[in-house]
Amino acid sequence: AQTVTQSQPEMSVQEAETVTLSCTYDTSESDYYLFWYKQPPSRQMILVIRQEAYKQQNATENRFSVNFQKAAKSFSLKISDSQLGDAAMYFCAYRSESGGGADGLTFGKGTHLIIQP
Amino acid sequence: DSGVTQTPKHLITATGQRVTLRCSPRSGDLSVYWYQQSLDQGLQFLIQYYNGEERAKGNILERFSAQQFPDLHSELNLSSLELGDSALYFCASSVELAGRLGEQFFGPGTRLTVL
Repeated sequence: AQTVTQSQPEMSVQEAETVTLSCTYDTSESDYYLFWYKQPPSRQMILVIRQEAYKQQNATENRFSVNFQKAAKSFSLKISDSQLGDAAMYFCAYRSESGGGADGLTFGKGTHLIIQP
Repeated sequence: DSGVTQTPKHLITATGQRVTLRCSPRSGDLSVYWYQQSLDQGLQFLIQYYNGEERAKGNILERFSAQQFPDLHSELNLSSLELGDSALYFCASSVELAGRLGEQFFGPGTRLTVL
């Protein structure tokens, strides 16, 4: 079974600074997707960014980018120019593609990101 | 707004009771997933349906069941409720792209409290 580990229960960063959230995963599969989801106090789950394992290029979405190290099974999220609205729980998630994406997501336990004004 | 709707938003019930949670996926999405988020277990995948058929099963208890109807809405039935079933239950849907299922978009969740 796949596992996802987020080793930082909580991170704090000053507004406008850059912060990196860590995620490692364990799998024996070669075809999979990785995701970062954001959960603000409203509890809504919002997709931040995704990465296909077969792509070497790291995904970027505006101020959000990932560092995907497939051999190390590492998938960190970098948030640049942090804003107060970025304060939330961030979840790293894995999805196997062996069933055409039919499997559910496997989530880490989350990192609580605090933005200091 | 993800386009996925869930009702009710909140549900309070007693141990031993049965409840039904409802989910309507985004327009055009054939696949529906159910997740449970609790303090003890974190976010867990329960079950997935695709166009009316069960496609994948996660950590779903035998007391729980789900189905997807011809109009693609889905219901999650929770029976013989226990205190530990108190959680936030999410539904998500995804579209099929070139034979693969795309990313999942989550509904706002149903907060279940078992007293």
